[in-house]
Amino acid sequence: TQLLEQSPQFLSIQEGENLTVYCNSSSVFSSLQWYRQEPGEGPVLLVTVVTGGEVKKLKRLTFQFGDARKDSSLHITAAQPGDTGLYLCAGDSQGGKLIFGQGTELSVKP
Amino acid sequence: DSGVTQTPKHLITATGQRVTLRCSPRSGDLSVYWYQQSLDQGLQFLIQYYNGEERAKGNILERFSAQQFPDLHSELNLSSLELGDSALYFCASSVASGSGNTIYFGEGSWLTVV
Repeated sequence: TQLLEQSPQFLSIQEGENLTVYCNSSSVFSSLQWYRQEPGEGPVLLVTVVTGGEVKKLKRLTFQFGDARKDSSLHITAAQPGDTGLYLCAGDSQGGKLIFGQGTELSVKP
Repeated sequence: DSGVTQTPKHLITATGQRVTLRCSPRSGDLSVYWYQQSLDQGLQFLIQYYNGEERAKGNILERFSAQQFPDLHSELNLSSLELGDSALYFCASSVASGSGNTIYFGEGSWLTVV
């Protein structure tokens, strides 16, 4: 069974701080996706990483895929209250069958 | 707005009952996915359809079934409901079925079983 372990589960920080969320697995994924979900809404795709070692940047968010394509990280620089939400990593194991991590609940306080 | 439409948004029903959740995928998307999100289990893949045919199956209970119709909309049927079935059920769609396709999620259907 493929599992994705996400850490930390909860993160409460002050505006302007940096943070990193980790997503780890013992399985190899063809790609890994990061989503953000707000209350009452469905997950929204932030980025997809495909190649081992790949780094993608989305404004203040930096996503990295591990060399072995088993893990990934999301780094947010100078977090803002608008970054508050549930961040989910998901591994693509079989043509769209996404395996989701448990999520990281981020709270950024002004 | 992802373009994926789910109805109903909220549903309260009693144990033992049966409900049907409906999903209209984004225009042009052939693949539909169903996911269940609960506090203790997180987001769990249930089932995927592609152009009317079942493509992949996940942790879907035998009491649950789904189908995708010729017009590509999909329904998830949940029967003999139990308290533990209370969850947020998401439908998602993508253009194709292979790896790397962007999947768009609807806003979900909140099911409460009392």
